Amino acid sequence: SQQGEEDPQALSIQEGENATMNCSYKTSINNLQWYRQNSGRGLVHLILIRSNEREKHSGRLRVTLDTSKKSSSLLITASRAADTASYFCAKQNTGTASKLTFGTGTRLQVTL
Amino acid sequence: DSGVTQTPKHLITATGQRVTLRCSPRSGDLSVYWYQQSLDQGLQFLIHYYNGEERAKGNILERFSAQQFPDLHSELNLSSLELGDSALYFCASSVGEGTGQNIQYFGAGTRLSVL
Repeated sequence: SQQGEEDPQALSIQEGENATMNCSYKTSINNLQWYRQNSGRGLVHLILIRSNEREKHSGRLRVTLDTSKKSSSLLITASRAADTASYFCAKQNTGTASKLTFGTGTRLQVTL
Repeated sequence: DSGVTQTPKHLITATGQRVTLRCSPRSGDLSVYWYQQSLDQGLQFLIHYYNGEERAKGNILERFSAQQFPDLHSELNLSSLELGDSALYFCASSVGEGTGQNIQYFGAGTRLSVL
């Protein structure tokens, strides 16, 4: 079973708007990562945030991490139609080294 | 293009059969991971190999096995296939052993359909 959940499960916005996705987890993490998956394709790594970091930016992406609430959020600013995809958070837990535990994903639809 | 190559892209087979999925990691990566993505279970970690040795096991069925060869490519063998094994199977690779800040690069996947 998967650790934690993501919400919303699906999000539909218009181009130019911001999209925010949330991820929760249950056990201590080493880091938390966000991946994007275009329909039925492989996952693409977006950003990694360490457990001792609170915020990280990469281009139009902003990730926050609140370890006290065991939650993270991914913000995509000024969204584009090409951002349409599923977004997954993946937790690398402490003590289980290599394994990434993926959330359930958020399906983002950006319309023109 | 992630640099991780998976073959075949699609595989259609019957229940009870055995198949082999192949993965070539990115140049220089020593770790290979296998994941299964299905509608009901989502993305599940199966197994991790580092430089030919098994390092971690996840929810991998006994009917499934994997290995990593000296040239670092990996194969996932699925036997006595059942309808429920139909899924996308992903391979990922990373440079290190998997500890530390472990960014994994994913292949395009093999879509397995068991009829």
